[in-house]
Amino acid sequence: TQLLEQSPQFLSIQEGENLTVYCNSSSVFSSLQWYRQEPGEGPVLLVTVVTGGEVKKLKRLTFQFGDARKDSSLHITAAQPGDTGLYLCAVNSGGSNYKLTFGKGTLLTVNP
Amino acid sequence: DVKVTQSSRYLVKRTGEKVFLECVQDMDHENMFWYRQDPGLGLRLIYFSYDVKMKEKGDIPEGYSVSREKKERFSLILESASTNQTSMYLCASSLLTDTQYFGPGTRLTVL
Repeated sequence: TQLLEQSPQFLSIQEGENLTVYCNSSSVFSSLQWYRQEPGEGPVLLVTVVTGGEVKKLKRLTFQFGDARKDSSLHITAAQPGDTGLYLCAVNSGGSNYKLTFGKGTLLTVNP
Repeated sequence: DVKVTQSSRYLVKRTGEKVFLECVQDMDHENMFWYRQDPGLGLRLIYFSYDVKMKEKGDIPEGYSVSREKKERFSLILESASTNQTSMYLCASSLLTDTQYFGPGTRLTVL
């Protein structure tokens, strides 16, 4: 069983559309991170959410941490081709060595 | 800005060869990680290191070893490359936090 389930797995939309992707689990987490991986590059951290119910905004991206701290969503408003990439959520695997467990990601394609 | 560099972007090796993948970070981070990324399987942790000469197995260490002789450098070694080790290999580093900084990746093909 995957610790983190991301949905949808693939998403292809037109420029200007809105979208939401999800990261779900049955476990409770102290924090959750979202990374974006552009084609041919390594993942880059977008945001860390810590408090249940927390909402963080990064330009056109809105991140929400569920009230119970078991899930998170990422909403993109007016998507642009530059938003194309693999969106990964990640949580601390436990222990003191800062290992992360990643979801399998949502591959987003924004067509011009 | 943190910079994590990997020795090669693309690498082609033959079955049975010994392969070295090098990773260097310039921010004095304690933790360094090696992942492989495969379609449908996501990012999987191979090994990580939390200090010089210290290492721990990740989720899929079989067929791999690592070396960390200096704080800034973490090497992944494939003792005898096999075709099922064809993959994208990503190195990352972190300070004593959850935020990981990734290199650009090495796409390894084993023929």
